[in-house]
Amino acid sequence: QVTLKESGPALVKPTQTLTLTCTFSGFSLTTRGIRVSWIRQPPGKALEWLARIDWDDDKFYSKTLETRLTISKDTSKNQVVLTMTNMDPVDTATYFCARIAYYSDAFDIWGQGTMVTVSS
Amino acid sequence: SYELTQPPSVSVSPGQTARITCSADALPIQYAYWYQQKPGQAPVVVIYKDSERPSGIPERFSGSSSGTTVTLTISGVQAEDEAEYHCQSADSSGTHVVFGGGTKLTVL
Repeated sequence: QVTLKESGPALVKPTQTLTLTCTFSGFSLTTRGIRVSWIRQPPGKALEWLARIDWDDDKFYSKTLETRLTISKDTSKNQVVLTMTNMDPVDTATYFCARIAYYSDAFDIWGQGTMVTVSS
Repeated sequence: SYELTQPPSVSVSPGQTARITCSADALPIQYAYWYQQKPGQAPVVVIYKDSERPSGIPERFSGSSSGTTVTLTISGVQAEDEAEYHCQSADSSGTHVVFGGGTKLTVL
């Protein structure tokens, strides 16, 4: 069974750096074709893609946020980590990680999401 | 920045057909994907690569593409189909994922 679960702080202060961890099971990020992305959704608003990391360590970032984002993986722990610097109240959102299926290129399995509030 | 345009809302009566559109310049060269999201839940893919349906998704869900517009069609809408539907694709480079603004489907 493939599962993903996000973890991280529920509350961060403006200007702080957010670190989120996606812990997954049922697949390995060492397997050719496996990719994992981070996606966020502010309350009542649209989904926004943030970043992607591939099995071969290729990384891709949202054009609008790339200067603030870093994605990495720890294959021994089955984890993908996202850091976002200089947090602002507009970054308040539910943050999801999701696997990209090799056969469909769709986000086929999502985590439950973790809500992050940015407030002083 | 590259954008996908969806109508904010669509309303249909049970048993009718709902059509939700998504428009963008690169859609003729990039696949589209559709996700259903119910309140408090993560999205679920209902259509991939314009018109393919994942296993477990009811046959009443279908997708099509014509030029710069893709369409999600739900035939014989049921009350359980009430949800937010998100279109997803990529820019012309294929490396940057983009989501539409979402369409709230209301079953009257």
